[in-house]
Amino acid sequence: DTAVSQTPKYLVTQMGNDKSIKCEQNLGHDTMYWYKQDSKKFLKIMFSYNNKELIINETVPNRFSPKSPDKAHLNLHINSLELGDSAVYFCASSFSDGNTGELFFGEGSRLTVL
Amino acid sequence: AQKITQTQPGMFVQEKEAVTLDCTYDTSDPSYGLFWYKQPSSGEMIFLIYQGSYDQQNATEGRYSLNFQKARKSANLVISASQLGDSAMYFCAMREVYNNNDMRFGAGTRLTVKP
Repeated sequence: DTAVSQTPKYLVTQMGNDKSIKCEQNLGHDTMYWYKQDSKKFLKIMFSYNNKELIINETVPNRFSPKSPDKAHLNLHINSLELGDSAVYFCASSFSDGNTGELFFGEGSRLTVL
Repeated sequence: AQKITQTQPGMFVQEKEAVTLDCTYDTSDPSYGLFWYKQPSSGEMIFLIYQGSYDQQNATEGRYSLNFQKARKSANLVISASQLGDSAMYFCAMREVYNNNDMRFGAGTRLTVKP
């Protein structure tokens, strides 16, 4: 019974293609995040949604488009994939009340662009 | 903008000894939380310990303790009695309440426990 689940776990695709990663959480959290972890292990926040509303939108190419159909789901669609998009993408969720809630992470989706 | 600094790219420790992983942060938000996560080679992110900005006492969770020095803006992780299974990447993170709960991570420290 996975708390934060991401699909797929692995994607291998060609440059120029479009791909999506889905994320679902069953923890009742109201905030969800997308992070990108590069080859040097650096974790960079991309987006955050609170109750389906976009609240954090970092400097990310507009080829990346998140969508939150409800507060339990946050998907990431990437258009026109580039080599530099190769990374592990983590979805995470938490409660937004106060600073006490740790982020619960999905297992990550490893994207390889050839 | 908030900033998390982990100055130790890599650390080595002998099994059964204690080790301290450094973390400093920068924020103007009066309410924030500090977190440590472990990422083993399998890739998952494991939450270890949390410290709130208003907490008076240092947090402890089993072999993990967080040495919180608010005036110095540091939140070092202390692992006591290191085990081989502690070998992993360790990330310090900070969450700012009044900044949309933005949560940022440091660059990480790779800890290797030697037998």
